[in-house]
Amino acid sequence: AQKVTQAQTEISVVEKEDVTLDCVYETRDTTYYLFWYKQPPSGELVFLIRRNSFDEQNEISGRYSWNFQKSTSSFNFTITASQVVDSAVYFCALTFYNTDKLIFGTGTRLQVFP
Amino acid sequence: DVKVTQSSRYLVKRTGEKVFLECVQDMDHENMFWYRQDPGLGLRLIYFSYDVKMKEKGDIPEGYSVSREKKERFSLILESASTNQTSMYLCASSLGVRISGNTIYFGEGSWLTVV
Repeated sequence: AQKVTQAQTEISVVEKEDVTLDCVYETRDTTYYLFWYKQPPSGELVFLIRRNSFDEQNEISGRYSWNFQKSTSSFNFTITASQVVDSAVYFCALTFYNTDKLIFGTGTRLQVFP
Repeated sequence: DVKVTQSSRYLVKRTGEKVFLECVQDMDHENMFWYRQDPGLGLRLIYFSYDVKMKEKGDIPEGYSVSREKKERFSLILESASTNQTSMYLCASSLGVRISGNTIYFGEGSWLTVV
């Protein structure tokens, strides 16, 4: 089965806290791609990162970092020193070689309070 | 920057009406997609297209059809709207099927309410 699980439905933190959003995926394919998108209240899905299955290097972009571990089929997303503007729904998604059809998790709603 | 534009942000339609949701992308992308987003279900693929006049069913095509007469435009059609089609609809595009691992870009979404 091809599946993405985001077990955290909603997370609330206070500004400046660090927060990690979990993503676990299932696939039998050896070539696949993982994505994170941010959906602010305006509705648009904003692309954050793409990672292919052959690249397990962690990535950092400003306050954002991603931890990809094939051994546990996880692609977790950490926001350091969270800000109110980080409040959004975050989606993890999966796609495969030669297709761009995304399989989405159900999303995690992050609320950052001042 | 890639721009995916959905013509209508908010629509209210009556049961039985025919509804058109329009999507235009400006980056000459080959692939275009329509997703539906519902609370607790994430995004689900309705239809997609890899080229002009080509279309393929996604996971939940029932009650929908699509049209792709030009490369930049992909329309979602509800032939006879029903209340269970009240949802947020998101259009997306990506570069091409012969290139794997494309970034998929999304529009702002269309909130459809069927009464």
